[in-house]
Amino acid sequence: DARVTQTPRHKVTEMGQEVTMRCQPILGHNTVFWYRQTMMQGLELLAYFRNRAPLDDSGMPKDRFSAEMPDATLATLKIQPSEPRDSAVYFCASGSGQYFSLNTGELFFGEGSRLTVL
Amino acid sequence: AQTVTQSQPEMSVQEAETVTLSCTYDTSESDYYLFWYKQPPSRQMILVIRQEAYKQQNATENRFSVNFQKAAKSFSLKISDSQLGDAAMYFCAYRTDDKIIFGKGTRLHILP
Repeated sequence: DARVTQTPRHKVTEMGQEVTMRCQPILGHNTVFWYRQTMMQGLELLAYFRNRAPLDDSGMPKDRFSAEMPDATLATLKIQPSEPRDSAVYFCASGSGQYFSLNTGELFFGEGSRLTVL
Repeated sequence: AQTVTQSQPEMSVQEAETVTLSCTYDTSESDYYLFWYKQPPSRQMILVIRQEAYKQQNATENRFSVNFQKAAKSFSLKISDSQLGDAAMYFCAYRTDDKIIFGKGTRLHILP
């Protein structure tokens, strides 16, 4: 049963600490998205990758956030230093980039990482 | 820029009744996908239904159906015979090749 795997599920940390969230996309998917979910803003797109290359990270605060795909099986989202306003649920989702052909365009989501910054 | 608007932050419906959730979007593209995702308290995002923009026929999945009006850029979700398990946050989403954008969601309550 193919699924997107995210770690950690929960993270509580203190302001100023570094936080790294990891995502294993579904094997064969070439597009990976990072979203942040808060009550006020809903689901915000932070960054996405196709074939491991970053295509857009305009939604991400550049001074403290960074996203990478070291290889096709791992995507990371790092916050350094973390702040209380970063408290949210962070979702990773994967899919196929060429949505016109041979696939449904659907994104498959991980279970999210709930981050609390004190 | 593409946007997705869900104008109903919360809705309630009596069990076994029908409810319609609204979604409008803005785009200049002609080819795209539209989705409704469900997020129950477990916070897992679950695909409910999808619609390809080039298809005129409205998508249907069991008790879930959509009313897709391309010219009006409207994509509403109808849930028939509502069940307690339908209680969740529902997100409308728009996807073109390199972007998928979500609305802010509608929280649906099912009244027993």
